[in-house]
Amino acid sequence: NSKVIQTPRYLVKGQGQKAKMRCIPEKGHPVVFWYQQNKNNEFKFLINFQNQEVLQQIDMTEKRFSAECPSNSPCSLEIQSSEAGDSALYLCASSLRGEQYFGPGTRLTVL
Amino acid sequence: LAKTTQPPSMEAYEGQEVNVSCSHTNIATSEYIYWYRQVPHQGPQFIIQGYKDYVVNEVASLFISADRKLSTLSLPWVSLRDAAVYYCIVTDRSSGSWQLIFGSGTQLTVMP
Repeated sequence: NSKVIQTPRYLVKGQGQKAKMRCIPEKGHPVVFWYQQNKNNEFKFLINFQNQEVLQQIDMTEKRFSAECPSNSPCSLEIQSSEAGDSALYLCASSLRGEQYFGPGTRLTVL
Repeated sequence: LAKTTQPPSMEAYEGQEVNVSCSHTNIATSEYIYWYRQVPHQGPQFIIQGYKDYVVNEVASLFISADRKLSTLSLPWVSLRDAAVYYCIVTDRSSGSWQLIFGSGTQLTVMP
């Protein structure tokens, strides 16, 4: 069973508001991933880190999304100005050797 | 774009063995095969991974064809708790970023 912790489980924001969610990866896992799963259950990779460094991110992430994984603190994903299309389940996963272990996700609803 | 093809849905009765197939005809030599499943309101759960031949763990077994273009996830004695969407994913974990590209998956329905 995954030990990835994500908070909050549910987040409701108005359009234009900031939305911030956090993830505590499994202990000892150096790589952290963020994915977005929309209402059609389609997954989109957003960004990943190895320790505190960004490995890869998509263009969308570079514009309104920001993420960090500081040492000794939870990782975070923040949407600077939420849009209705950002409503989705945001999943954090961590990895040691290849397989990824997912948290339960943060369900973001943008009104 | 997902690199795998799976049946969209399957049905089984409790206690049956279920075999979920996955086609990955363009799999690269550096890519591994991963299976995950997801139930509503939860994140995907890792089930098993493999590169070739046959892999087994306490949850499932995975058979990979000799040419690695087809894999089959086998779930023995399914229960209602095994009802989920099952995803077959191929990815190159040597690249360092190894993001997962999920397809549509196979919706497994388990009937009592």
